[in-house]
Amino acid sequence: DAGVIQSPRHEVTEMGQEVTLRCKPISGHNSLFWYRQTMMRGLELLIYFNNNVPIDDSGMPEDRFSAKMPNASFSTLKIQPSEPRDSAVYFCASSSALVGYTFGSGTRLTVV
Amino acid sequence: DQQVKQNSPSLSVQEGRISILNCDYTNSMFDYFLWYKKYPAEGPTFLISISSIKDKNEDGRFTVFLNKSAKHLSLHIVPSQPGDSAVYFCAAMGKYNFNKFYFGSGTKLNVKP
Repeated sequence: DAGVIQSPRHEVTEMGQEVTLRCKPISGHNSLFWYRQTMMRGLELLIYFNNNVPIDDSGMPEDRFSAKMPNASFSTLKIQPSEPRDSAVYFCASSSALVGYTFGSGTRLTVV
Repeated sequence: DQQVKQNSPSLSVQEGRISILNCDYTNSMFDYFLWYKKYPAEGPTFLISISSIKDKNEDGRFTVFLNKSAKHLSLHIVPSQPGDSAVYFCAAMGKYNFNKFYFGSGTKLNVKP
């Protein structure tokens, strides 16, 4: 089992550019989560999907952020246009049981 | 407004001594609590959990204590080892929303040799 796979590991982009983060959950997991980690707020839940359907997107900070899950094995988080304050580590996690998410290794985004 | 708070951003402990990491929550509907450990450049990994029907859960060197009346939980690591140096996140989950975890901001533990 390769775990939750995120790409890219690092992304540096200029302000105003579109950024797309990708996630492949663990096969068989039916829930997928996007988190953002910042120094001030720790891990913030942005959005989560259950059986590919967005359930709660109340954590998405602005309309510039959007997420999709076209199938059970792939999800994207898009920021358009990106801003320097979006710089953070973005984690994807998947789960299928009461205990424990499995997190990916994260994407470190820097917007300059 | 954060529903799960870790008020100590960092903690430094000597190897062999006890590490105590604290976490407070505000939502009385939370009934399941977890601790995650995170090393640099890696995602958080599950460490230990506790249900609200218990006040203590132990797993080797790690023990989590839950005080429901104070809405407080703590993680004890005894004895602390240098390999325990990491960021520890406290998380809580509500009775009726099994998929949504609320995380604290994390405490960075440094165990000195």
